[in-house]
Amino acid sequence: SQTIHQWPATLVQPVGSPLSLECTVEGTSNPNLYWYRQAAGRGLQLLFYSVGIGQISSEVPQNLSASRPQDRQFILSSKKLLLSDSGFYLCAWAPYGYTFGSGTRLTVV
Amino acid sequence: SQQGEEDPQALSIQEGENATMNCSYKTSINNLQWYRQNSGRGLVHLILIRSNEREKHSGRLRVTLDTSKKSSSLLITASRAADTASYFCATAGNTGNQFYFGTGTSLTVIP
Repeated sequence: SQTIHQWPATLVQPVGSPLSLECTVEGTSNPNLYWYRQAAGRGLQLLFYSVGIGQISSEVPQNLSASRPQDRQFILSSKKLLLSDSGFYLCAWAPYGYTFGSGTRLTVV
Repeated sequence: SQQGEEDPQALSIQEGENATMNCSYKTSINNLQWYRQNSGRGLVHLILIRSNEREKHSGRLRVTLDTSKKSSSLLITASRAADTASYFCATAGNTGNQFYFGTGTSLTVIP
């Protein structure tokens, strides 16, 4: 069966520090992978999606970047975090509907 | 950009009642999906309805789709306290690879 792993569950980082969130998928190959951000009490904002290794489509560039170094690995990064980067980050994979990871709650202080 | 918009933003009902949530979208779609999110958790896929379908059932869930009105509804029958969550609709973007979510309906079922 397919599973998706996302870590860490919570993260508190100072402004200006780097960020690396990792997401891995098991039990499937060549999945479409996605990073979403959810601000408190808000809907989900699509940040990046990837249809294959090294292929990244950016919806909202801002201060973040994504990479897909391996087929089932998707990484969300930032060189310098801003206060506005705080939120709940969700990784997901498709094809038939989304399967979401459990999310990372990032607080930038 | 987000395509789906849920209505109402918040809904509070008594246990046993039915809950209806609506979703409107802006452009043509291949399919529309509904998701549920418990507080502070990831989203769980509930149901997918294709553009050539008008109604779909899954347990106590009933989803309708009206492509002429660009709208969908999610009905939860005989609600339970455990149904308390936020519900989101999502529509596929132009390439079909990306999905856009609305802002969600927060459902509270009072025991």
